[in-house]
Amino acid sequence: DQQVKQNSPSLSVQEGRISILNCDYTNSMFDYFLWYKKYPAEGPTFLISISSIKDKNEDGRFTVFLNKSAKHLSLHIVPSQPGDSAVYFCAASGYFSTGNQFYFGTGTSLTVIP
Amino acid sequence: KAGVTQTPRYLIKTRGQQVTLSCSPISGHRSVSWYQQTPGQGLQFLFEYFSETQRNKGNFPGRFSGRQFSNSRSEMNVSTLELGDSALYLCASSLQQGSNYGYTFGSGTRLTVV
Repeated sequence: DQQVKQNSPSLSVQEGRISILNCDYTNSMFDYFLWYKKYPAEGPTFLISISSIKDKNEDGRFTVFLNKSAKHLSLHIVPSQPGDSAVYFCAASGYFSTGNQFYFGTGTSLTVIP
Repeated sequence: KAGVTQTPRYLIKTRGQQVTLSCSPISGHRSVSWYQQTPGQGLQFLFEYFSETQRNKGNFPGRFSGRQFSNSRSEMNVSTLELGDSALYLCASSLQQGSNYGYTFGSGTRLTVV
């Protein structure tokens, strides 16, 4: 059962425009959400995170929005740059009986067109 | 400082064999987590070790096991390999167990089972 879903496997955006990557989750026990970026042949790198007590967190060109009632989060990249082309994974964490666990989505491949 | 190092980078094994993967975390990081990445399932959590003890475990069969040494290096073992075990295995390290500040991932070990 996929608890974190990224329903768009790919996204193409023109350079300079906004990229919006979406993520849905099913478990209301999640209390922390993260975005990772992955280039080919490299491991994922941490990008930005948000606690469930907030609805927005901003870091430079990257902003993550959290809508708890809809169990939805999104990553906005403004303006998009060609170097942003990568696979983006959203992740959710929560404390369960087996400890604090992370669940990742299946990823969205972003292509920024120059 | 050196990142998370995983060895080997690539591995080909036959069904029924066993395999051991190695992960050296960032110096000073005491938590090591293992993930399996497949195209359809994204990143799935295997287990997390902290101070030589398994702290969290994902939903994988007992054929998947691991351990952590006193220097925080970790190994993951898969016994009786199946074709479906073919995946990219990623290791991630962090300072604390269950860190919500993001893990640092290695580049992974690509395992192919034939």
